[in-house]
Amino acid sequence: DAKTTQPTSMDCAEGRAANLPCNHSTISGNEYVYWYRQIHSQGPQYIIHGLKNNETNEMASLIITEDRKSSTLILPHATLRDTAVYYCIVRALYNFNKFYFGSGTKLNVKP
Amino acid sequence: DGGITQSPKYLFRKEGQNVTLSCEQNLNHDAMYWYRQDPGQGLRLIYYSQIVNDFQKGDIAEGYSVSREKKESFPLTVTSAQKNPTAFYLCASIGTESSGNTIYFGEGSWLTVV
Repeated sequence: DAKTTQPTSMDCAEGRAANLPCNHSTISGNEYVYWYRQIHSQGPQYIIHGLKNNETNEMASLIITEDRKSSTLILPHATLRDTAVYYCIVRALYNFNKFYFGSGTKLNVKP
Repeated sequence: DGGITQSPKYLFRKEGQNVTLSCEQNLNHDAMYWYRQDPGQGLRLIYYSQIVNDFQKGDIAEGYSVSREKKESFPLTVTSAQKNPTAFYLCASIGTESSGNTIYFGEGSWLTVV
């Protein structure tokens, strides 16, 4: 699986959009970008995933650059409950081999 | 509802004791994983299993053991050989489903050595 690079932490004002970047310059053509988040002392929660097209669901939007070397997770109207560690991982569909979560980005949503 | 159940949520171990953390899933997933998380750190892979009766070591397998006798169960034993076992332990699974290989996690188990 390709490696990912994320900033250690970010701040966002409540009600504003939170834009979390992820670099994955070594991504392969069959690898998807997945985003998860972990609220303190809970299991990570799935947010969204995509291959090359932008994706949107009820939680967030995922913007993938045309060369697929980076992506951005967008929380359109951040709330205090969105304060969490956000993980970007890259892996091939139906790859059941070991996979890694990095250190992620700690998003602090402030009133 | 389908999901992953980990138990117990909190566990205290005396030095020299073995303890077993339970992980059960009713998602019919083939692959299951155990991760360890230390405070403020990311997830580190302990063991994983892609199919019943088979499992592979992750990056920090020393001092841990697992079994996979049933598809729905993947217990983790923390042995006395694990010198620093105090941590948060997470179990996960993946299946071939239309949602695109989403990884599901349990709620985690806190292990403290006393």
